Amino acid sequence: DTAVSQTPKYLVTQMGNDKSIKCEQNLGHDTMYWYKQDSKKFLKIMFSYNNKELIINETVPNRFSPKSPDKAHLNLHINSLELGDSAVYFCASSPTGDGNQPQHFGDGTRLSIL
Amino acid sequence: SQQGEEDPQALSIQEGENATMNCSYKTSINNLQWYRQNSGRGLVHLILIRSNEREKHSGRLRVTLDTSKKSSSLLITASRAADTASYFCATDQAGTALIFGKGTTLSVSS
Repeated sequence: DTAVSQTPKYLVTQMGNDKSIKCEQNLGHDTMYWYKQDSKKFLKIMFSYNNKELIINETVPNRFSPKSPDKAHLNLHINSLELGDSAVYFCASSPTGDGNQPQHFGDGTRLSIL
Repeated sequence: SQQGEEDPQALSIQEGENATMNCSYKTSINNLQWYRQNSGRGLVHLILIRSNEREKHSGRLRVTLDTSKKSSSLLITASRAADTASYFCATDQAGTALIFGKGTTLSVSS
């Protein structure tokens, strides 16, 4: 009965590779998010989708491309991985995207670039 | 950009003691939320307090909000070892994204 699930949990890869992270929520929420948490635990919003439509696109390199095939799924594809991309990436969802509702988080994908 | 700042960055207490964490933010908000993050896990929502509320309780948690000072506090009473985690405040920005603070790391020893 996992609410927000991400795969994979760990991702170790080399610089220059392309990788994808998948996220699914079974809460029936309209809005999904991608966050990046750095080594100092600072959590920063990357993207937000509301019912498959891109709402928030923060200052993120265009090597990062989100895709939402339906409102229950939000995937993140990263091209030409760099050392600075090493971080924990969290997917989250909320009933609405107006900031007035709690967000539900997955357990994160730990990305390590060698 | 608007961001919550938690204080202290780290807090170590004994089981049974109370833990107080503070959060300050920069601009007007509609609501403020507190989250907990256990090691290696995602964030878990604790409490949401709206700008017209001054205090809210949930079990051993008490949250206060002072919009005139742009600050909030989270009090955990009678701490347990299981409360060991990082705690984050988050404020809404322009009715869309949540902006998270840098967190307070709480360590409760038995």
